[in-house]
Amino acid sequence: KAGVTQTPRYLIKTRGQQVTLSCSPISGHRSVSWYQQTPGQGLQFLFEYFSETQRNKGNFPGRFSGRQFSNSRSEMNVSTLELGDSALYLCASSFQLTGETQYFGPGTRLLVL
Amino acid sequence: KNEVEQSPQNLTAQEGEFITINCSYSVGISALHWLQQHPGGGIVSLFMLSSGKKKHGRLIATINIQEKHSSLHITASHPRDSAVYICAVRLGYGGSQGNLIFGKGTKLSVKP
Repeated sequence: KAGVTQTPRYLIKTRGQQVTLSCSPISGHRSVSWYQQTPGQGLQFLFEYFSETQRNKGNFPGRFSGRQFSNSRSEMNVSTLELGDSALYLCASSFQLTGETQYFGPGTRLLVL
Repeated sequence: KNEVEQSPQNLTAQEGEFITINCSYSVGISALHWLQQHPGGGIVSLFMLSSGKKKHGRLIATINIQEKHSSLHITASHPRDSAVYICAVRLGYGGSQGNLIFGKGTKLSVKP
């Protein structure tokens, strides 16, 4: 089976712009989670989707949003980018919502100038 | 105080040594995960525990729910084990499942 794929892998944006990141889970997986990783804060949970519904949300401002489609693919959007949004954005998929091993994608590295 | 604390932050070992990385948490959890992150960013899930002990190859993970503590052991360490090891807890009791909270990670370097 193909692993979790994320596009794009690298992205450079300027402050105030918006960005959309995409995640395709492993075939058959219905749960997708998103994480932000920065040198200062480490890994932080953004949100989790299962069967097109957001099930959990981390402590991030409303500029961060996401959705999941009927084929389980997920997108996350960050509006009005700030310098502090520069990070590695990771998504992970699993078959069930919880109680399962998560499989991580390679990440999208976002640089905000 | 962080809800998930890992120790040590950095660890250097000689090839062949037995390694222990610790994780303590202060919240109610439904599960605990150990993750491995290599340079370049790729993350691999090593274990998911809700009780007891799990073993995979040279890796052993244990959890003590009463003491809110987990350990990751690596036997016969090898330079390819060099990576950052991250502990993460899933908030929640019983059937309630919540967010994941991560430790800051332990950077392991194994010298040949």
